[in-house]
Formats: sequence, structure tokens, C-alpha cells
Amino acid sequence: GNSVTQMEGPVTLSEEAFLTINCTYTATGYPSLFWYVQYPGEGLQLLLKATKADDKGSNKGFEATYRKETTSFHLEKGSVQVSDSAVYFCALRREGDMRFGAGTRLTVKP
Amino acid sequence: NAGVMQNPRHLVRRRGQEARLRCSPMKGHSHVYWYRQLPEEGLKFMVYLQKENIIDESGMPKERFSAEFPKEGPSILRIQQVVRGDSAAYFCASSPYVAGRQETQYFGPGTRLLVL
Repeated sequence: GNSVTQMEGPVTLSEEAFLTINCTYTATGYPSLFWYVQYPGEGLQLLLKATKADDKGSNKGFEATYRKETTSFHLEKGSVQVSDSAVYFCALRREGDMRFGAGTRLTVKP
Repeated sequence: NAGVMQNPRHLVRRRGQEARLRCSPMKGHSHVYWYRQLPEEGLKFMVYLQKENIIDESGMPKERFSAEFPKEGPSILRIQQVVRGDSAAYFCASSPYVAGRQETQYFGPGTRLLVL
């Protein structure tokens, strides 16, 4: 079946550090891939997405590239800020079936 | 364009009571999804509905839980005879339907249910 595995947290970084949150997936066919972010006390917000192999999604300095050969969609940001502290969810969607990773909590310290 | 709305944002119930969670999708969206997020865990799919029709309820517990999305009005997730283990955040998402395409889901702010 379809599934998503993302790196376990929590992740703690200093401001301006480089961020990578790994995400790999298992799916039949060609799913769409997403990263969602959940700030404290709020619902999920779509951060970025990619719908086909080699697509790069980007938003707010975050990027992720759809790599079919490694079935991965790792989230990266070159320089994190305190305001990026949140829980990040990797997700895939295939024919209406949406699957989420367990979430990775990021804390950025000043 | 208002986003997905859920109410109430917080709900406290005693064991054995009923909980009703409401979700109004974004304007123009005909599909609604419900997810549960247990403390410190990821999202778990519960049910996928379009108006007056349940598409996929494979993630719904077999007992006490039900969902509907009537022709008029919000989608309702109903939990009867709540137990402490039902305490969680319940998120609703909506998407439009476009034949042959996988549309992005937009999430509401969630309802945090606490069962005492």
C-alpha cells in the first residue's frame, strides 16, 4: 500500500542553520507529494507540493524535489529562522488516497 | 475566499456523551476529508466524503463514529459515547473535484476534543 516515512524528530537547530528533513515514500504509480506545516495550536497549512518526477516545490525559502529514483521528497531550507519552529508533515496522494508521515518537530533557537 | 472552517475549535465532553464536529469546506469544494491526530502522532485518515455520499471510510472506527456531508450545510463528524481515548485533534480538509486530477487538500484549523 501507499505510505510515507519521514525522519523522526525532534530536530533542534540554531538560527541560520541548514535544514534537511528526510521523507521517503512507497506508492504504486505516480503519486503527488506534499509538505505541510503545523504551527503551534493551528491546523495544517500546505507548504509546497510536486506532482511529477523531478518537479521542485518551493515556498518561503523551503524546497523539495520529487526524486522517483530514490522515492524521496526531502525538505530543505538554507537558513532557518525561529519562526520556522513547527511540525512538518510529508504526505502523498494517489488516486484520492492521502497518506501522511508521522511529522517532524523542528525547534529553532536564537 | 474563506478557508476551511471548523467548529468548535475546542470541545470538552464527559465520558459517554456525544461529540459533534463541524466542517465547512472552502467555497467550490465538493470533497471533504476527516483526519485524527493523536497527541504526539501524525495524522490518520478517517473518512472521505462528497456531498450525500461516503467515498471511503476505511479509517473510521467501526463503532461509535459516523460522518455525513449533506447536500446543504457542513460536514459533521459524530462520535457517540465518547471515551478518553477519543481525545485528539480532528482535522477536516477539503478539495475541489476535477476529473482525472489529484487536487490539493486544504486543511481547517482543527477541533481539539478533550474527554474527561
